[in-house]
Amino acid sequence: AQSVTQLGSHVSVSEGALVLLRCNYSSSVPPYLFWYVQYPNQGLQLLLKYTSAATLVKGINGFEAEFKKSETSFHLTKPSAHMSDAAEYFCAVSGRGNNRLAFGKGNQVVVIP
Amino acid sequence: GAGVSQTPSNKVTEKGKYVELRCDPISGHTALYWYRQSLGQGPEFLIYFQGTGAADDSGLPNDRFFAVRPEGSVSTLKIQRTERGDSAVYLCASSSTSSLTDTQYFGPGTRLTVL
Repeated sequence: AQSVTQLGSHVSVSEGALVLLRCNYSSSVPPYLFWYVQYPNQGLQLLLKYTSAATLVKGINGFEAEFKKSETSFHLTKPSAHMSDAAEYFCAVSGRGNNRLAFGKGNQVVVIP
Repeated sequence: GAGVSQTPSNKVTEKGKYVELRCDPISGHTALYWYRQSLGQGPEFLIYFQGTGAADDSGLPNDRFFAVRPEGSVSTLKIQRTERGDSAVYLCASSSTSSLTDTQYFGPGTRLTVL
């Protein structure tokens, strides 16, 4: 079975500062990894995904994530936070052989002006 | 084009009642998924359809939960004898094929409250 761990349910970041959200995965097979964002009263929206091509993945809205097999990590970063980045962010994993996504508990990001 | 839509957006019911939640996937998407998101948690997988058939229903918590997709498009999640613990946001997602790398597109969810 696959799972992901996201630590720190609430993350506060100053406007213009680095955004770093950590995700560690557990998988018995090579994983596919995803980051989703959820804005208030909206559905989950895909930010980016790792599907075993390049280990550094660039997504929408200036976000990127790097797959590190040795650290079983897929941390999400953005160099400079905007007020519009305030939302909840979920890391998810799927394993080869099944289509279900296993999500972490999420990080609620607050951007401080 | 239109995204995944779910109706109703909110449903309040009493313990013991039967409810149906509807999902309209993106047109042409063959794969459809149901997830459940409890307060403070990430979404949890319930069931996955490929076409009309349930390819994986391992996430359904018990036999009170059932889902159908009779024509390979719209899906209905049915919950019998609702319990207060069923209160959650029920999310539907669809993807264009069943490929593991295909993006799952999510609807806004149905918030179910069982009193």
